Amino acid sequence: EIVLTQSPATLSLSPGERATLSCRASQSVSSYLAWYQQKPGQAPRLLIYDASKRATDIPARFGGSGSGTDFTLTISSLEPEDSAVYYCQQGTNWLTFGQGTRLEIK
Amino acid sequence: QVQLVESGGDVVQPGRSLRLSCAASGFTFNTYAMHWVRQAPGKGLEWVALISYDGLNQYYAASVKGRFTISRDNSKNTVHLQMNSLRAEDAALYYCAKSHGGNYKYFDNWGQGALVTVSS
Repeated sequence: EIVLTQSPATLSLSPGERATLSCRASQSVSSYLAWYQQKPGQAPRLLIYDASKRATDIPARFGGSGSGTDFTLTISSLEPEDSAVYYCQQGTNWLTFGQGTRLEIK
Repeated sequence: QVQLVESGGDVVQPGRSLRLSCAASGFTFNTYAMHWVRQAPGKGLEWVALISYDGLNQYYAASVKGRFTISRDNSKNTVHLQMNSLRAEDAALYYCAKSHGGNYKYFDNWGQGALVTVSS
């Protein structure tokens, strides 16, 4: 099973700042990586797939990069509504998720 | 607009069975693979099971293989999860999710979940 490790566990930033979230895979997943956003009491929402492709209706401030074992989700200019838990997920070898990064907007 | 509505969540004793259902609308159901993904209270996400668009292929997480069965009825736009021999660690919010595009790799639409509690 491919293990995904996300860092940091928690991130606290102010509106307008740039957020950088990391996801590291225990073995290569090529570019088969997605990012999801989950707000309290809501289902997850697909943000990024294939490492860097934005899903439908996702704002341009969300960007993904990386390949192989190291991936990054960048939120270029934080909005208050970006407060959520963010999960990475790989689609190469079965389907597994990282443990999540909690993003707090001050 | 895609809509996925789960039902069947309940409180059950360990060792008992439960069947979850997911009613889908707003897309051509019989052309997409479907998944179940679960989330234990306060925890992260765990993929549970996948069924191909035609129902011919099913895949399971190791933690549920042999106990859970995923099925679908394309005439009724529904997908089911039959859960047998339930354990305390199966307690979670179970989401029905639609595959993104023509592959099985990602989940692009989710329901609001069905809560399963396993307790004596």
